[in-house]
Amino acid sequence: DQQVKQNSPSLSVQEGRISILNCDYTNSMFDYFLWYKKYPAEGPTFLISISSIKDKNEDGRFTVFLNKSAKHLSLHIVPSQPGDSAVYFCAASGSGGGADGLTFGKGTHLIIQP
Amino acid sequence: KAGVTQTPRYLIKTRGQQVTLSCSPISGHRSVSWYQQTPGQGLQFLFEYFSETQRNKGNFPGRFSGRQFSNSRSEMNVSTLELGDSALYLCASSRGTTTTEQYFGPGTRLTVT
Repeated sequence: DQQVKQNSPSLSVQEGRISILNCDYTNSMFDYFLWYKKYPAEGPTFLISISSIKDKNEDGRFTVFLNKSAKHLSLHIVPSQPGDSAVYFCAASGSGGGADGLTFGKGTHLIIQP
Repeated sequence: KAGVTQTPRYLIKTRGQQVTLSCSPISGHRSVSWYQQTPGQGLQFLFEYFSETQRNKGNFPGRFSGRQFSNSRSEMNVSTLELGDSALYLCASSRGTTTTEQYFGPGTRLTVT
């Protein structure tokens, strides 16, 4: 049973436009959410996180929105750049952060087209 | 600051053998977690060590084990390898307190033939 779901295996966006990656979760105990970016042959790289006490967190071109009632979060990238092409993983934790194991979604492959 | 390092990067083993993978965390990080990544299952949590103690464990058989040393370096062992164990094994380190992010190494690609 997948507790963290990324329903779009891939997403294609034109350079300069907004990329929106979505993630749904089922476990109400999750209270900390993270987004990771992964290039081939490399480990995931931390992008941005959000605690369940917030509904938005922004860092440069990246913004994460959390809708607790819908158990949904999204990552917005504005403007999208060619270097953003990668697989993006949504992850969740039930203990307030990275100390426990993270539950990951299966990833969305973002392709930025010139 | 040096990142998380994993050795070896690539490994080929035969069914029934055992394998040991190594992970060196970022300096000052006391928590090390291990994950298995496969195309079908995505990234799955194996276990987490903090101060040489296993603090958390995922849903994997007992063939998968690990340990952490006093310098926070960690090893993961898989005994009696099966074809399905072929995967990318990722190690991640964090300071170990709450609300801290995990930083991943490049992974060890294990192929079981």
